[in-house]
Amino acid sequence: AQSVAQPEDQVNVAEGNPLTVKCTYSVSGNPYLFWYVQYPNRGLQFLLKYITGDNLVKGSYGFEAEFNKSQTSFHLKKPSALVSDSALYFCAVRDPDRDDKIIFGKGTRLHILP
Amino acid sequence: NAGVTQTPKFRVLKTGQSMTLLCAQDMNHEYMYWYRQDPGMGLRLIHYSVGEGTTAKGEVPDGYNVSRLKKQNFLLGLESAAPSQTSVYFCASRRQGWTFFGQGTRLTVV
Repeated sequence: AQSVAQPEDQVNVAEGNPLTVKCTYSVSGNPYLFWYVQYPNRGLQFLLKYITGDNLVKGSYGFEAEFNKSQTSFHLKKPSALVSDSALYFCAVRDPDRDDKIIFGKGTRLHILP
Repeated sequence: NAGVTQTPKFRVLKTGQSMTLLCAQDMNHEYMYWYRQDPGMGLRLIHYSVGEGTTAKGEVPDGYNVSRLKKQNFLLGLESAAPSQTSVYFCASRRQGWTFFGQGTRLTVV
């Protein structure tokens, strides 16, 4: 069965510094990968996805993620963090060759320090 | 275009009571999902549907039932609520690689 791991419960970054939120996955086939962000008392907002093609995917709010098949990773990155980036981030995976489930990681809380 | 709408937004239940959460989407999506979100647990899939009249179990289906009688609606039922079902519930609908979420239902079982 597919699974997602977000090894860090929390990441602290100073404003203006680059940020990375880690995600690794496990699927039997070729994965579809996603990043979502959740602000307090809100639903989930889509940031970006990898389906196929270029391993570097650009998304909303200046975020990007790199698909690395050999390391089974899909880390979220941003060159320069903003205080407004502080939120809860979720990585998700779907194995389209297996079923239609979308499985989420446990989430990583990102704190951007002014 | 409302997207994905969840009803109600908040609810307090007593242990043993039953209720139904409604998810409605107006995007003609085939796939719909119910998740629960708990602190430190992320989002866990309860049940999902790949089309009208179909349902399937997710990661944590026990204590819940679902129905998809109409394509646009996906209902999540709790027959006998338990305190362990206190959570925030999210519905989502999907077409191709695009998934949209509702704003959530905060359920407290006392």
